[in-house]
Amino acid sequence: AQRVTQPEKLLSVFKGAPVELKCNYSYSGSPELFWYVQYSRQRLQLLLRHISRESIKGFTADLNKGETSFHLKKPFAQEEDSAMYYCALRRSSASKIIFGSGTRLSIRP
Amino acid sequence: NAGVTQTPKFQVLKTGQSMTLQCAQDMNHNSMYWYRQDPGMGLRLIYYSASEGTTDKGEVPNGYNVSRLNKREFSLRLESAAPSQTSVYFCASSDPRQGLYGYTFGSGTRLTVV
Repeated sequence: AQRVTQPEKLLSVFKGAPVELKCNYSYSGSPELFWYVQYSRQRLQLLLRHISRESIKGFTADLNKGETSFHLKKPFAQEEDSAMYYCALRRSSASKIIFGSGTRLSIRP
Repeated sequence: NAGVTQTPKFQVLKTGQSMTLQCAQDMNHNSMYWYRQDPGMGLRLIYYSASEGTTDKGEVPNGYNVSRLNKREFSLRLESAAPSQTSVYFCASSDPRQGLYGYTFGSGTRLTVV
């Protein structure tokens, strides 16, 4: 069965400090991985996808198949990054997405 | 461009009451989903509809029913609300032809059962 684990419920860092939100997954095949973000009182929105290898709002995430991880990183945190972040996985584009339990990122001024 | 629209945005129910949460998408997506979001538990799939005319149970279907009325609309019904169903409910849609983009979410319905 597929599973997504986000070990940190809350991560608090100072503005300008590096950020790393951890995500580990369990799936025997080659999954598609996503990071979704939810700003206060807003809908969830896609932040980035592993397949595109993009950087969005300064965030990057690298898929490490050996460690089955897809950690989200940003070198210098900004106050507007404060939000709830969800790591998510699916087996294929036709499958439903499995979400982790989420990490609340709080950036202190 | 509306995307995914959910109604209502807020609702308070008494235990035992029934209600239907509405969801509509205008992106011609085949698949639609209902999730509930609870603190510390992330998003859990209640029901989904891979295509018009089909529905399937997700992780937490008990106490809910769904109807895929047409390609645009996917409703979630609580027949007899319980306090454990207090949550934020999100509808989402997707299409394998646009699979790389994952889901598009609605803005959510905040439901309180007292």
